[in-house]
Amino acid sequence: EIVLTQSPGTLSLSPGERATLSCRASQSVSSTYLAWYQQKPGQAPRLLIYGASSRATDIPDRFSGSGSGPDFTLTISRLEPEDFAVYYCQQYGSSPRTFGQGTKVEIK
Amino acid sequence: QVHLVESGGGVVQPGRSLRLSCATSGFTFSSYGMHWVRQAPGKGLEWVTTIWYDGSNKYYADSVKGRFTISRDNSKNTLYLEMNRLRVEDTAVYYCARDRSYGTGAFDYWGQGTLVTVSS
Repeated sequence: EIVLTQSPGTLSLSPGERATLSCRASQSVSSTYLAWYQQKPGQAPRLLIYGASSRATDIPDRFSGSGSGPDFTLTISRLEPEDFAVYYCQQYGSSPRTFGQGTKVEIK
Repeated sequence: QVHLVESGGGVVQPGRSLRLSCATSGFTFSSYGMHWVRQAPGKGLEWVTTIWYDGSNKYYADSVKGRFTISRDNSKNTLYLEMNRLRVEDTAVYYCARDRSYGTGAFDYWGQGTLVTVSS
């Protein structure tokens, strides 16, 4: 099983600041099969990035993904109030399709 | 637009069974793989199971293998999760999610979730 470790656990930032979230895989993960999701309290997750760097439908361009196995990064260039949430990375190239434990981006 | 609506959650005793449904609309259901993902209270996301677009391949997390069964009815645009021998640790919100492809892609649309509580 591929374990994904996200860091930091919590990121405290102010609106307008840049957020950098990391995801490290315990084994080789092709960038083709790495995704990022956003989840707000009481809501279902929303796909942000797939294939490590492709934005999903209707995702603003302030969200960008980069990296290659084992290290991947989600960057939010300028935080908007609606971006404060929990973010998960996921690998879907092998079964089980594991998620990271999440990074909470909170308002400082 | 794409809609996924889960139903069938509730409170059930340990050892009993429950069947979840996910009704879909707004896309050609028979062309997409589907998934179930769960989230225990206050915890992260856990992938549960995947079924390919035609039902030919199914995959399960070790934690549910042999107890849960995923299936689909492409004539009814509906996904199912049969859950047997339920345990307290199966308590979670269960989400159905659409695959971006036939079964090997990221999860691009999600339902609102249905809560399953396993308790005596």
